[in-house]
Amino acid sequence: GENVEQHPSTLSVQEGDSAVIKCTYSDSASNYFPWYKQELGKRPQLIIDIRSNVGEKKDQRIAVTLNKTAKHFSLHITETQPEDSAVYFCAALPLSNQFYFGTGTSLTVIP
Amino acid sequence: EPEVTQTPSHQVTQMGQEVILRCVPISNHLYFYWYRQILGQKVEFLVSFYNNEISEKSEIFDDQFSVERPDGSNFTLKIRSTKLEDSAMYFCASSLQTGDFGYTFGSGTRLTVV
Repeated sequence: GENVEQHPSTLSVQEGDSAVIKCTYSDSASNYFPWYKQELGKRPQLIIDIRSNVGEKKDQRIAVTLNKTAKHFSLHITETQPEDSAVYFCAALPLSNQFYFGTGTSLTVIP
Repeated sequence: EPEVTQTPSHQVTQMGQEVILRCVPISNHLYFYWYRQILGQKVEFLVSFYNNEISEKSEIFDDQFSVERPDGSNFTLKIRSTKLEDSAMYFCASSLQTGDFGYTFGSGTRLTVV
């Protein structure tokens, strides 16, 4: 099955700086890559996603890049704010209809 | 915006007891899922359900687990004889089609086995 790895596991940045989280996947058939933000005790919330036919997608301060050849995708948050502090999960969706999640990155934005 | 609703939000049960976690998927969705998240760990797939039968399940979903769609709106996860290691957050999700079409997570049920 698919295997998704995520780095780093923890990340601290100063408010206003950028944060980058990276994921790799193993199944070349995976074609959809969402990113979720999860606040403590709450459900994962979709923040951005990218499909395999696109290399980059941006939504205000958040962007995702995908390199299909290398099988990796990254989340970029610019101008970070304290409310960006949360756990972020990447995921991949192969031909089976189940998401495979990364192990999560705990992001702390220091005011 | 349509939501996936889960009840209860928190359930405490004695080890060995049966629990039923309930979910109301988005009304026009056809695919239903259960995921589990042990505290501090990643979200893990348990099972997917389509057309009144299990379409896929993970190795976590052993004989003590079962799912059911008892009526047109509810989707339940039953754990027959709970163990301490079943303590986790359980998320229900639903989607309109295969792939990501409107894939939506519920707010979760925190199960604590004592």
